[in-house]
Amino acid sequence: GAVVSQHPSRVICKSGTSVKIECRSLDFQATTMFWYRQFPKKSLMLMATSNEGSKATYEQGVEKDKFLINHASLTLSTLTVTSAHPEDSSFYICSARDTLNTEAFFGQGTRLTVV
Amino acid sequence: QKEVEQDPGPLSVPEGAIVSLNCTYSNSAFQYFMWYRQYSRKGPELLMYTYSSGNKEDGRFTAQVDKSSKYISLFIRDSQPSDSATYLCAIRQSNDYKLSFGAGTTVTVRA
Repeated sequence: GAVVSQHPSRVICKSGTSVKIECRSLDFQATTMFWYRQFPKKSLMLMATSNEGSKATYEQGVEKDKFLINHASLTLSTLTVTSAHPEDSSFYICSARDTLNTEAFFGQGTRLTVV
Repeated sequence: QKEVEQDPGPLSVPEGAIVSLNCTYSNSAFQYFMWYRQYSRKGPELLMYTYSSGNKEDGRFTAQVDKSSKYISLFIRDSQPSDSATYLCAIRQSNDYKLSFGAGTTVTVRA
């Protein structure tokens, strides 16, 4: 399957700072990317959908000003957690699809710890 | 009511046993069905996908869909310790690529 690379895999930051997570499609052009959040022993919850060159569409209850998503190119989307707090600590996962692949492929995930 | 219901387990089986996993869903608009495997602290890996009722086989894995009952299953034959992971079902509508995930079932295959 196609390869989606997510960076960093782990990050620890202080409360009040911002953290940027990158999601790259390595061997295909990702017209659509998705950002998920996963709590321990819980399932994936969709946060937002982004299409290249467009503003992201956020799911109900997700603060768009806190979780900034940029999808400026066909191979890169970024999620920035602004003014992070301990409750933002979680596992964040991106997925990406192009117009050829029916289903999306997932990145390795980023474990964010806010202290 | 959740869109997708999946028993979180955990499920522990001896090596060589058949692992049986299942999910139920509530909305008949869901037409696309996927199974993902997720190892600890990793992203989900697509195992199988199917878009119609019936069985689909890929090696030791068989995905089964019964749209009339809104019930999907994954069977793993001749299970190996390397199959120990969390298995998530996921569904979506035909015109929407957003996935709704089950809770995930944690499987341990004992050597």
